[in-house]
Amino acid sequence: NAGVTQTPKFQVLKTGQSMTLQCAQDMNHEYMSWYRQDPGMGLRLIHYSVGAGITDQGEVPNGYNVSRSTTEDFPLRLLSAAPSQTSVYFCASSYGGQGHGYTFGSGTRLTVV
Amino acid sequence: GDSVTQMEGPVTLSEEAFLTINCTYTATGYPSLFWYVQYPGEGLQLLLKATKADDKGSNKGFEATYRKETTSFHLEKGSVQVSDSAVYFCALTLRGYGQNFVFGPGTRLSVLP
Repeated sequence: NAGVTQTPKFQVLKTGQSMTLQCAQDMNHEYMSWYRQDPGMGLRLIHYSVGAGITDQGEVPNGYNVSRSTTEDFPLRLLSAAPSQTSVYFCASSYGGQGHGYTFGSGTRLTVV
Repeated sequence: GDSVTQMEGPVTLSEEAFLTINCTYTATGYPSLFWYVQYPGEGLQLLLKATKADDKGSNKGFEATYRKETTSFHLEKGSVQVSDSAVYFCALTLRGYGQNFVFGPGTRLSVLP
C-alpha cells in the first residue's frame, strides 16, 4: 500500500545506546519530516528535508541526526539515547507547498531506560 | 512565534451530542489551517483543512471555518458517535514551499454510548 512506512513500531533502548528509526515513502514526495509527540505538547518538529541531499533543523533537533540520500528514505538517528527522548516519533511526507497536508506514518514508540 | 492553542480536554460526551473543540492561532503570515485526528494506536490522519479566510473545511460530518478576524478554526460536529473517540489536533502551516506544521497540544475526545 502506498504511504509512509516506519520501522520499528516499538523499541526499548538503554541510556547511551544509539539507533536509527527508519522512514520510507513511495509517493515520490519531496518533503519529509520527523516529529516527536509528547503528552500535552502536541507534535514538535525535529528535522525536515525539502529534497534529497537537503536537510534542516526543526524545533527540537538536539540529540538527533538525519540524512536524505534518496527521495524515498529519511532515517532519524539517535546518537546517544537519553530518557528525555522517550516519546512517540512520527515521520511525515508531502509533495510540498502550503495547504497540501501531510501523510503520516503510524509511529515508533521509543522508551529509553 | 507562530503558535496554536486549543482546549486540551479531555472532552467527554454522550453519543449524538454536539461537539465543539476550540482552536485559535497566532501567525506572522497568512496560514493554512488543518484539523488532524489520531485514533488509538494510529498515526495522524487529515480530517479537514482550509487555506484562506472564510473557507469551510468539512469531512465525515465535521466542519471548521477559517475566521481571520478572530484567528480561529473551531471544529464542530452536530452528532458525535462512539467511533469519533480520538485525539484531535489543530495545526497551521505558512505560505511557502515545504513549510512545516505548528501543532496544538491535542484534545482527547471520549464519546460514551
